[in-house]
Amino acid sequence: NAGVTQTPKFQVLKTGQSMTLQCAQDMNHEYMSWYRQDPGMGLRLIHYSVGAGITDQGEVPNGYNVSRSTTEDFPLRLLSAAPSQTSVYFCASSRDRTNEKLFFGSGTQLSVL
Amino acid sequence: EDQVTQSPEALRLQEGESSSLNCSYTVSGLRGLFWYRQDPGKGPEFLFTLYSAGEEKEKERLKATLTKKESFLHITAPKPEDSATYLCAVPSPPGANNLFFGTGTRLTVIP
Repeated sequence: NAGVTQTPKFQVLKTGQSMTLQCAQDMNHEYMSWYRQDPGMGLRLIHYSVGAGITDQGEVPNGYNVSRSTTEDFPLRLLSAAPSQTSVYFCASSRDRTNEKLFFGSGTQLSVL
Repeated sequence: EDQVTQSPEALRLQEGESSSLNCSYTVSGLRGLFWYRQDPGKGPEFLFTLYSAGEEKEKERLKATLTKKESFLHITAPKPEDSATYLCAVPSPPGANNLFFGTGTRLTVIP
């Protein structure tokens, strides 16, 4: 099992560009989520999904979109990148929404110029 | 408002020098407190979950404890490979799998 796979590992965007961060898990987990991590701040939840076709907003959802068409994939879309979205992004999954053991991907480091 | 505060921000220990990391929280209706380890350039890795005051869990040189207001991560006789950032988190809102993380303690163990 690969666990949680995120691509790309690094990305540089210009302000206003759009892109999609990919996240896939091969553990048949129902719950998936996206966090961003900034220096001096804890990981902050962006969006989450409790199953295919179901998504909801977290603490900092503005500027991001998600969809969950399959159990395995949970892409994060930046609609119009802004410098404030420069961050490290982590995707996480767990067996279901009641299971506390989150498995994290290795992260995507995004810079918006 | 739910709060999780970790201290110290950074800690340098000599190999074999035991110490403790602190995580204090103000959460109404705590439904678990979680500890994760994060190595540079990697995602957090789950260590422990604690649910009630007085509970303790151990893994190798690490022992996590929980009181009504805080949790401690005790590191006994640390080795250089224990160097990492240690994060604590609480569910927010209570009962959900969405976690509210502290800012972490960066531990460096010097050979």
